[in-house]
Amino acid sequence: GQSLEQPSEVTAVEGAIVQINCTYQTSGFYGLSWYQQHDGGAPTFLSYNALDGLEETGRFSSFLSRSDSYGYLLLQELQMKDSASYFCAVRDSNYQLIWGAGTKLIIKP
Amino acid sequence: GAVVSQHPSRVICKSGTSVKIECRSLDFQATTMFWYRQFPKQSLMLMATSNEGSKATYEQGVEKDKFLINHASLTLSTLTVTSAHPEDSSFYICSARSGGAKGEQFFGPGTRLTVL
Repeated sequence: GQSLEQPSEVTAVEGAIVQINCTYQTSGFYGLSWYQQHDGGAPTFLSYNALDGLEETGRFSSFLSRSDSYGYLLLQELQMKDSASYFCAVRDSNYQLIWGAGTKLIIKP
Repeated sequence: GAVVSQHPSRVICKSGTSVKIECRSLDFQATTMFWYRQFPKQSLMLMATSNEGSKATYEQGVEKDKFLINHASLTLSTLTVTSAHPEDSSFYICSARSGGAKGEQFFGPGTRLTVL
């Protein structure tokens, strides 16, 4: 079957750096995406990796290693507003998004 | 980025009634729309995929007679929860995709349904 694994919860301190990992097993692979979701809101798109390597967008970076079926989201200079759930999602051979269970990021002052 | 709207944002209804949720792509034509539901502290679960002008494709375990999907135009899809029950209370999110199978997916803000 298809599955994505990510930690259920991560805790970090304001101003620090945190990495959220995602490993996947899917039928086909057309890219790894990351979404942020605040409580009560809909997911918002953060990043997309189709090729190996690191993509940087401001304080957020996303990494992909297709040979390891692995990626991560890196958040730097954490702010309280970054407290949210973060989902990795893989586009499979049908171009459907397969979602991870989500990682709740808790930020402490 | 592209904008997808949903209406209503929140609805409370009595058990046994039907509720219609609209999903609109405001500035692009969405050849494909997706409907998800999300229970608290869980991930998004795909319910169905709809292509404009054709019948929706439902995921396993989703009752097509209970969750009626209509994708009548390239900018509008509706989800009707028929004879709603308390267990249907959930967060329903639509997503719209443009530009074919490899197009970007954009999410609506979601609709919180509470069935009393």
